[in-house]
Amino acid sequence: DADVTQTPRNRITKTGKRIMLECSQTKGHDRMYWYRQDPGLGLRLIYYSFDVKDINKGEISDGYSVSRQAQAKFSLSLESAIPNQTALYFCATSDPGLAGGQYNEQFFGPGTRLTVL
Amino acid sequence: KQEVTQIPAALSVPEGENLVLNCSFTDSAIYNLQWFRQDPGKGLTSLLLIQSSQREQTSGRLNASLDKSSGRSTLYIAASQPGDSATYLCAVLETSGSRLTFGEGTQLTVNP
Repeated sequence: DADVTQTPRNRITKTGKRIMLECSQTKGHDRMYWYRQDPGLGLRLIYYSFDVKDINKGEISDGYSVSRQAQAKFSLSLESAIPNQTALYFCATSDPGLAGGQYNEQFFGPGTRLTVL
Repeated sequence: KQEVTQIPAALSVPEGENLVLNCSFTDSAIYNLQWFRQDPGKGLTSLLLIQSSQREQTSGRLNASLDKSSGRSTLYIAASQPGDSATYLCAVLETSGSRLTFGEGTQLTVNP
């Protein structure tokens, strides 16, 4: 089973709709991240969380919100989707200690392809 | 603001060739540098991670080096195979451990 899973894997929606993307991990990591990937712009950080009570904005947080429901779950919401939010969205996890790997090595989920019409 | 650049943007080589992918970054105050592989429409697979205090890491046919003072890293792939065809991404983690900044990647094609 995959260590970092994302649902849904693909989603097509309409402008103005509320969308939630979910991420779950079995790696036992405290730190979780949401990124989006756009052609020509690379991957950019949207939000990150270092533990259940810690939420931080990344580079491009406008139009997005997140919820850290548990250590293993981190959800990304688009309150009112717009076409320029069409992108590939990735969730990632890391651990600041040596357990399970090197310091702060990030592990990525398979991605969610979101299309906003 | 940290900026990461990867050269070349695309590379096509015959099978069996040794090759080098380049990554440069503007701020040398980094925590670590990570190389990833991404297949079309898929997620990122971590290949190698170099801590800021290290000079290189090796895994199989892959060797990554880091020169933090000059803001450069290279990924060396020995005896390339068609299965190595993918996009290779370089990313640096800032010292706070919070922000990973990515380059745009090098798209590698290994021809049989």
